[in-house]
Amino acid sequence: QITLKESGPTLVKPTQTLTLTCTFSGFSLSTSGVGVGWIRQPPGKALEWLALIYWNDDKRYSPSLKSRLTITKDTSKNQVVLTMTNMDPVDTATYYCAHRDSYGYLGYWGQGTLVTVSS
Amino acid sequence: QAVLTQPSSLSASPGASASLTCTLRSGINVGTYRIYWYQQKPGSPPQYLLRYKSDSDKQQGSGVPSRFSGSKDASANAGILLISGLQSEDEADYYCMIWHSSVGVFGGGTKLTVL
Repeated sequence: QITLKESGPTLVKPTQTLTLTCTFSGFSLSTSGVGVGWIRQPPGKALEWLALIYWNDDKRYSPSLKSRLTITKDTSKNQVVLTMTNMDPVDTATYYCAHRDSYGYLGYWGQGTLVTVSS
Repeated sequence: QAVLTQPSSLSASPGASASLTCTLRSGINVGTYRIYWYQQKPGSPPQYLLRYKSDSDKQQGSGVPSRFSGSKDASANAGILLISGLQSEDEADYYCMIWHSSVGVFGGGTKLTVL
């Protein structure tokens, strides 16, 4: 049974750096073809794909946010960490992590964590 | 221009069929992409429905009813999610997604109302 859970601060101040952790179980991020990605959703708005890390440590970022994002993995801890620098109120959103299958679908999602950016 | 464009809303009656479109930006050929569809209900994360590239390259998500199906309209450069026999529980937001240059891209989503 695959599960993922996001954790991190619920409130950050403008200009601060956000660090989110995705802790997962039921699969290994050392399995060929597997990845873990981050997606966010501002309140009442659409999904926005942010970043993904593959089993081989290949990393992909949204072009519009690439300069602010870093994604890393700790295979031994079954965790993926996303950092986003220079947070702004427009970054207020629910942040999800998800399991990417080798066929490209995001078949398992965490419940999401709401991050509010406010002074 | 957005990579993927979806109509913001669609209404249909119970028992009818609904066709949700996902139009790819000009210059991006729908024929070369697998299109993934997700359903999201209020307060819940998205759920994977299916992927469709062609009749020989498609996949239904686990437990997803067969009344959800995918197709393409090459003339419109669009992917289509067809939901037949609409039920009240199908009322949700639907998102399409592709991997474009190895980066994920979501459409803006369609809010489907069943009334």
